[in-house]
Formats: sequence, structure tokens, C-alpha cells
Amino acid sequence: EAGVAQSPRYKIIEKRQSVAFWCNPISGHATLYWYQQILGQGPKLLIQFQNNGVVDDSQLPKDRFSAERLKGVDSTLKIQPAKLEDSAVYLCASSPSFPVGNTIYFGEGSWLTVV
Amino acid sequence: TQLLEQSPQFLSIQEGENLTVYCNSSSVFSSLQWYRQEPGEGPVLLVTVVTGGEVKKLKRLTFQFGDARKDSSLHITAAQPGDTGLYLCAGFSSGSARQLTFGSGTQLTVLP
Repeated sequence: EAGVAQSPRYKIIEKRQSVAFWCNPISGHATLYWYQQILGQGPKLLIQFQNNGVVDDSQLPKDRFSAERLKGVDSTLKIQPAKLEDSAVYLCASSPSFPVGNTIYFGEGSWLTVV
Repeated sequence: TQLLEQSPQFLSIQEGENLTVYCNSSSVFSSLQWYRQEPGEGPVLLVTVVTGGEVKKLKRLTFQFGDARKDSSLHITAAQPGDTGLYLCAGFSSGSARQLTFGSGTQLTVLP
């Protein structure tokens, strides 16, 4: 079974530029999550989708971050304009609607450095 | 937002020693998970505990869920260098949304 796919793995941009990250969840998983993980800290939930609807985006900085999951499958997270403090790993994860054994599967992450 | 606090934040020990990592919250979780994360990779699930007071063992790792389902601990016996990594606890909220909130993490280094 293929895992959660993310791209790009690494990105370096200058502040005020824009960047987009793509995620393809495990086939058939209805729930998709985007987490931000700053080095040495635990992941912070940015947005959670159930199919193509947003379940929770309370911690998404909406003035600069946006995310969509138009067809209920893959998703894109965009940052525009980027700030230095956005340097982090952006983790995508997916799970079935009611996770069997409460299992959420993570991708390897997209590393962003803003200079 | 439900918060999970982990302690200690950093832990460096010698091979063969025992250690315990704590995860505490003022909130009740429907279940709690422990993950291990290595550099450059996403978190990997180690265990899920669901019932208050539940104890699960995974080789040299023992996980316990508090009776009130607000806290948990991870105990490692005879740590090995291969146990080095970032250990994260995470709690599932109640209800159908299945929101997973992570703790701040414990960076464990086991020295040979």
C-alpha cells in the first residue's frame, strides 16, 4: 500500500515569496491533515479536511496560509507571502473517516527554509 | 485547543539506563498515542491507549494511560542507541472530528 506522498521534500525561498506544497493521501482516506512542525517541537495542526470540507482550520494563519482539497483527494497548502518564522517542516497526514485503531499516517514532510 | 505538556524536553542517557517520559493535560482525551520521529521523517505510531489505566508493552517500551485519561507515560527499559529520537505524545479529541493534538516532544539521546 502506498503511503502519504508529499512534494517538494525541500524548499528554500526568500521572505515575501510564495510557496506551495502538495499532498496525496493514502487511497480511500477521507480525512487529510496539514501540520506545521518547527524544529525540536511537536507538530501543530494547521487544517483538517473531511473529504473536501474543512473540519478545523482554527490555527491556520489565514492572512498568509491557504489550503484546498478540491476533489476530496489530494491537497495543496500555500504560503503567500512567506515570513522567516514559517521555516518548518510541513507534514501531511491522512486517515480513514473513523480511523481503524485511531491510526493516522504521516508523509515524510516538506522542509521549508525562509531566508 | 487541548494542550499536552511533555517532560522532560531533552533527555540524554547512557546505554542500558532506564527512563520515563511524561505527557500531561488538563483535558480528557478519547485515546492517546505515542509516536517516534527520526530526523527527516514523519512521526511513526508506536502505540494507542484507549482505556483509563491501560498499560501496553512493546518490547522494552511500556506505555500507561492515566485513570482519568488526561495523562500518560512512556517507560523505556535498558535504553539502546537505536532508541534515540523525538518522542511525541498525541491525544485524540472526543467526537467524530478526530482531531489529533501533539505534545511538545521529548528529544531522547542514548549514548553508547
